[in-house]
Amino acid sequence: QKEVEQNSGPLSVPEGAIASLNCTYSDRGSQSFFWYRQYSGKSPELIMSIYSNGDKEDGRFTAQLNKASQYVSLLIRDSQPSDSATYLCAVSFYGGSYIPTFGRGTSLIVHP
Amino acid sequence: DAGVTQSPTHLIKTRGQQVTLRCSPKSGHDTVSWYQQALGQGPQFIFQYYEEEERQRGNFPDRFSGHQFPNYSSELNVNALLLGDSALYLCASSLGQGANTGELFFGEGSRLTVL
Repeated sequence: QKEVEQNSGPLSVPEGAIASLNCTYSDRGSQSFFWYRQYSGKSPELIMSIYSNGDKEDGRFTAQLNKASQYVSLLIRDSQPSDSATYLCAVSFYGGSYIPTFGRGTSLIVHP
Repeated sequence: DAGVTQSPTHLIKTRGQQVTLRCSPKSGHDTVSWYQQALGQGPQFIFQYYEEEERQRGNFPDRFSGHQFPNYSSELNVNALLLGDSALYLCASSLGQGANTGELFFGEGSRLTVL
């Protein structure tokens, strides 16, 4: 059973701070890693994908991957109230096709 | 550029009934996956369709079945509905079968309530 673990939160940070969201996964063969954002009552939206060890930056978002530790994280710099949402970590490996397994998500609250 | 569209957006059924949900993928996408999301949980993979065939299936009973049409649109059918089938059903499209298949584009979902 391939598992993706996230702290359900909520993680509360003040506006302008850095929010750090973490995710661990059980399958060492995992090859692709994704972060999705889901606003309340809406569907998930892809915000970052990362495929190799290290950091990947896109605007205020940085994804970090450490395959040896089976750990992937998402940093949000200069957090805004509009970033308040649930962040879903997804991990996929090749088992005939690439099917992402999702964690249960971390609720982020950015307060003014 | 049309995104992923799903219908209906909301529906209410009673136990034992059958339901069909429909999905049109994002323009240019050929792979459709279906997920079930219960309240407070992450999406759970039901199955994936590519080239009109079910390529992979998650841990869901045979009551859940699907189909993909030549235009890449897809249907999810659930028979003999149970109370526990109440959830948001998400359709996601992607392109091809490579590692970036995890880059999913989701529709707004169909919220199913079983009474």
